[in-house]
Amino acid sequence: GAGVSQSPSNKVTEKGKDVELRCDPISGHTALYWYRQSLGQGLEFLIYFQGNSAPDKSGLPSDRFSAERTGGSVSTLTIQRTQQEDSAVYLCASSPQGVMEEKLFFGSGTQLSVL
Amino acid sequence: GNSVTQMEGPVTLSEEAFLTINCTYTATGYPSLFWYVQYPGEGLQLLLKATKADDKGSNKGFEATYRKETTSFHLEKGSVQVSDSAVYFCALRRRSQGNLIFGKGTKLSVKP
Repeated sequence: GAGVSQSPSNKVTEKGKDVELRCDPISGHTALYWYRQSLGQGLEFLIYFQGNSAPDKSGLPSDRFSAERTGGSVSTLTIQRTQQEDSAVYLCASSPQGVMEEKLFFGSGTQLSVL
Repeated sequence: GNSVTQMEGPVTLSEEAFLTINCTYTATGYPSLFWYVQYPGEGLQLLLKATKADDKGSNKGFEATYRKETTSFHLEKGSVQVSDSAVYFCALRRRSQGNLIFGKGTKLSVKP
């Protein structure tokens, strides 16, 4: 596709439910990143994929959060037993190779609201 | 650890005013430094970058110089426009690290 695509764009869920957020990176990009954007908290790093492997999962806030990437393309971020503090915009980004000098291409995000 | 600190906002300026948004970083080694911008209703996009000390990144009239001695990467523009109203994020990335580390963002509002 032309850019990084995320779905859904908005998700409202009840506390305790599981949610899945999807990211389609730019075709051919090997590196994929998940960030969380909360009011007043800036951009919080969650996880980074190089191909299908995740060398850096250090940002996942708890074991309720997990992510996978298949075929070196689509990634899914899963939040189990959602809590109200999980409400945020979840951003996905990709880059061609994941090297230091590269810029990241961001999607428009998924706005998650946990009631 | 590695971190980025940028000035608290919001910053409100009149059109054609001079802009400075301060950014300092803490990192081992020699990171690459970036400014990203998020316009209202849009996704984050790269504004400019610098990959080594004394490099100057520039784009759309914005400039930032990589200052190793002061560990800073301040964003400047000589004459802001209403269309520059956005949230600006400073970020760093180390060679051994895949992810970008962002500051908390500075919201800029430019009034006509």
